Amino acid sequence: AQKITQTQPGMFVQEKEAVTLDCTYDTSDPSYGLFWYKQPSSGEMIFLIYQGSYDQQNATEGRYSLNFQKARKSANLVISASQLGDSAMYFCAMSPYNTDKLIFGTGTRLQVFP
Amino acid sequence: ETGVTQTPRHLVMGMTNKKSLKCEQHLGHNAMYWYKQSAKKPLELMFVYSLEERVENNSVPSRFSPECPNSSHLFLHLHTLQPEDSALYLCASSQDGRAAYNEQFFGPGTRLTVL
Repeated sequence: AQKITQTQPGMFVQEKEAVTLDCTYDTSDPSYGLFWYKQPSSGEMIFLIYQGSYDQQNATEGRYSLNFQKARKSANLVISASQLGDSAMYFCAMSPYNTDKLIFGTGTRLQVFP
Repeated sequence: ETGVTQTPRHLVMGMTNKKSLKCEQHLGHNAMYWYKQSAKKPLELMFVYSLEERVENNSVPSRFSPECPNSSHLFLHLHTLQPEDSALYLCASSQDGRAAYNEQFFGPGTRLTVL
């Protein structure tokens, strides 16, 4: 079965520090895409970063980077220099290449404090 | 308007009511999605439309009825709902229906409460 696991229901980080949000996935498909989304209290899901399973290098987008370890089936999100506006729910998601489904984890609530 | 918009933002309805949720995307995308987000559960994909044809119906009860009249608009018609249907309903769009290649752009959601 295809599944995303986020084991951290909540995380705290001090402003300007880095934080890692964990994500592991389970799939038998050889090809897939991995995504991270941010959901502020306003409700909309905001796309942050994407990693293809065949990409050789870890994806980076500004302060966001994805620590992709294919053999361990993990796709952790690293946020550098945290800001107060980073406080939100963060969701990891996966889609096998042969489907139109995006499978989400249960999310991690990140709180950034001054 | 830009991005993906949803109306209404909040909806309270009784179990015998009929209502509709509306989603509109201004991104020129060809695929649109309905998701249900319940507390402490992963987002659940309900329906996928690609080029105005439904390509996914993820075992959703018939009291939820989607409609996609064109590539920019998506509706979710609701009738005889149950209290457990109370949730945040999110609409999303993407360039095409290949979820693994395209990020999805989400609307702000409709917070539905069924009494």
